[in-house]
Amino acid sequence: AQTVTQSQPEMSVQEAETVTLSCTYDTSESDYYLFWYKQPPSRQMILVIRQEAYKQQNATENRFSVNFQKAAKSFSLKISDSQLGDAAMYFCAYRSVGDKIIFGKGTRLHILP
Amino acid sequence: KAGVTQTPRYLIKTRGQQVTLSCSPISGHRSVSWYQQTPGQGLQFLFEYFSETQRNKGNFPGRFSGRQFSNSRSEMNVSTLELGDSALYLCASSLGQGGSNTEAFFGQGTRLTVV
Repeated sequence: AQTVTQSQPEMSVQEAETVTLSCTYDTSESDYYLFWYKQPPSRQMILVIRQEAYKQQNATENRFSVNFQKAAKSFSLKISDSQLGDAAMYFCAYRSVGDKIIFGKGTRLHILP
Repeated sequence: KAGVTQTPRYLIKTRGQQVTLSCSPISGHRSVSWYQQTPGQGLQFLFEYFSETQRNKGNFPGRFSGRQFSNSRSEMNVSTLELGDSALYLCASSLGQGGSNTEAFFGQGTRLTVV
């Protein structure tokens, strides 16, 4: 069965600094998708970034980028120039084709002014 | 374009009662998934519907059921409520299964409290 592990329950970063959130997953599939979702205190889950497993190039969305290591089954999220609005719970998620999305337990990110 | 709408936002029920939660997906989306979120267990998958058919099901007891209508709107029902059913219930919609239509868009959730 596929699993997603986020080993950092909480992290803190100084405003304007860079932070990296870790995620590992386990799967025997070769074709799948990985996501990072953000859940602010308002509790609505927002998609931050997605990565297709068949693409070698790491996805980037403005200040958010990923480091996708397929062989190591690792999918970390880097947030550059952290802003107060980045404070939230971040969930790493996995989805194989035609199957449900599996979420990690989440990492709570605090931004220190 | 309207997002995913879940109603009601908050609900308080008594043990033994039943409850129905509603989810209206983004227009054009045919897939709806339901998740239960609790502090201890995180996000747990309940079920997924696509074109009125249940496609995937999580490991929840039969008290949890759902359905999807022809307009893609979905309802989730929990019967014989237990205290442990208190949670945030999230609904997510996506265009379809597989291919490039895999990302899910979430509603704001329904906070269910069982007393």
